[in-house]
Amino acid sequence: AQSVTQLGSHVSVSEGALVLLRCNYSSSVPPYLFWYVQYPNQGLQLLLKYTSAATLVKGINGFEAEFKKSETSFHLTKPSAHMSDAAEYFCAVTDYQRGGKLIFGQGTELSVKP
Amino acid sequence: EAGVTQSPTHLIKTRGQQATLRCSPISGHTSVYWYQQALGLGLQFLLWYDEGEERNRGNFPPRFSGRQFPNYSSELNVNALELEDSALYLCASRGLGTDQPQHFGDGTRLSIL
Repeated sequence: AQSVTQLGSHVSVSEGALVLLRCNYSSSVPPYLFWYVQYPNQGLQLLLKYTSAATLVKGINGFEAEFKKSETSFHLTKPSAHMSDAAEYFCAVTDYQRGGKLIFGQGTELSVKP
Repeated sequence: EAGVTQSPTHLIKTRGQQATLRCSPISGHTSVYWYQQALGLGLQFLLWYDEGEERNRGNFPPRFSGRQFPNYSSELNVNALELEDSALYLCASRGLGTDQPQHFGDGTRLSIL
């Protein structure tokens, strides 16, 4: 069975500081991995995806993530945090053997201090 | 390109009633997924529809059901509503191929009084 674990339910950074949100996955098959962001009272917006191409994936809003098979990790980073990055972030893996449903991590709430 | 649209935005019901939530996928997408986001429980997979058929369902009781119409829009029905059904219900659609990302609507907030 596939699963995703996000380390840290809440992360706080200062504006301009590095953002690092951690995600580890468990999968018996090569995974398809995604990061989504959720702003208050909204749905999920796709930030980036990994589907077995380049291991360093660039997404929207300056975010990127690196797939590391040896560490079963897919951490999300952004060099310089902006106030508008404050939101909840979800890492997800596709259970493509069962039609592609997404299995989500618990989510990490990012706060950005001025 | 229009995104995934869901209606209504908010729905208030009482225990025992029935609720119907609607979803229109992105044009060209045939797969529709439903997820429940309940406080403290995270995002849980509910149902998957593709080409008009229910293809998979999550660990939810049978009173959660739905359908997909010939135009690929979808409906989620929840019967005999219980207090714990209060949640944000998210619909997502996907293009062809399970490596394609799912695109989400803004959800329907269902409140049970």
